[in-house]
Amino acid sequence: QLQLQESGPGLVRPSETLSLNCNVSGGSIVRGSFSWGWVRQPPGKGLEWIGCIYHSGKTFYNPSLKSRVTMSVDTSKNQFSVRLNSVTAADTAVYFCVRAAGEYQLLPQAYWGHGVLVTVSS
Amino acid sequence: QSALTQPASMTGSPGQSVTISCTGTGNDIGSNNFISWYQQHPGKAPKLIISAVNNRPSGVSDRFSGSKSGNTAYLTISVLQPDDEADYYCSSYTVSSTFELFGGGTKLTVL
Repeated sequence: QLQLQESGPGLVRPSETLSLNCNVSGGSIVRGSFSWGWVRQPPGKGLEWIGCIYHSGKTFYNPSLKSRVTMSVDTSKNQFSVRLNSVTAADTAVYFCVRAAGEYQLLPQAYWGHGVLVTVSS
Repeated sequence: QSALTQPASMTGSPGQSVTISCTGTGNDIGSNNFISWYQQHPGKAPKLIISAVNNRPSGVSDRFSGSKSGNTAYLTISVLQPDDEADYYCSSYTVSSTFELFGGGTKLTVL
């Protein structure tokens, strides 16, 4: 059974860079052509798709975040990552790592991590 | 791009059926069939319950069904059960911007 687990700092200072990793177990990132991505959810609010990456390195980003987001994949560690720079309080959210249901598809997301709360505060 | 429009809340009684709407535009719901629905219980990660408008992933109850008409998608939950009380989110592929757009979410209360 594929499992995803987020990790990273729970507190980031304003204007700095948020950086999270997602460790994949129960399956290989390079097996098949699935997109691996991130979705966030501000406390008490709805979901927002951040973007995704294929093991080839091809990325797709939400246009509203594109200027601040970078995703990468480390196939040797079977993990992928997201970096969001110049963060503000509006970036405070639970961040989920996800995998799409089908190959060559950006959505829907069939596998989800438990999520990690990242708070932006000084 | 604005989120897809869902009712903020809905209420149903056990055994009844409810239908949640999700309204978009011709750039998303109206122009593709990558329409999905997720169920989220408090403190948990969302769970995919409907994909491709009306397909249920393995293990999802057949009490959940989806449909689409024009720019609006629908999730119907029949024979409501207490455990159906959760937040429900729709999502759609966006043709012009190539990303997954979510709805604002609907809080379903089963009284």
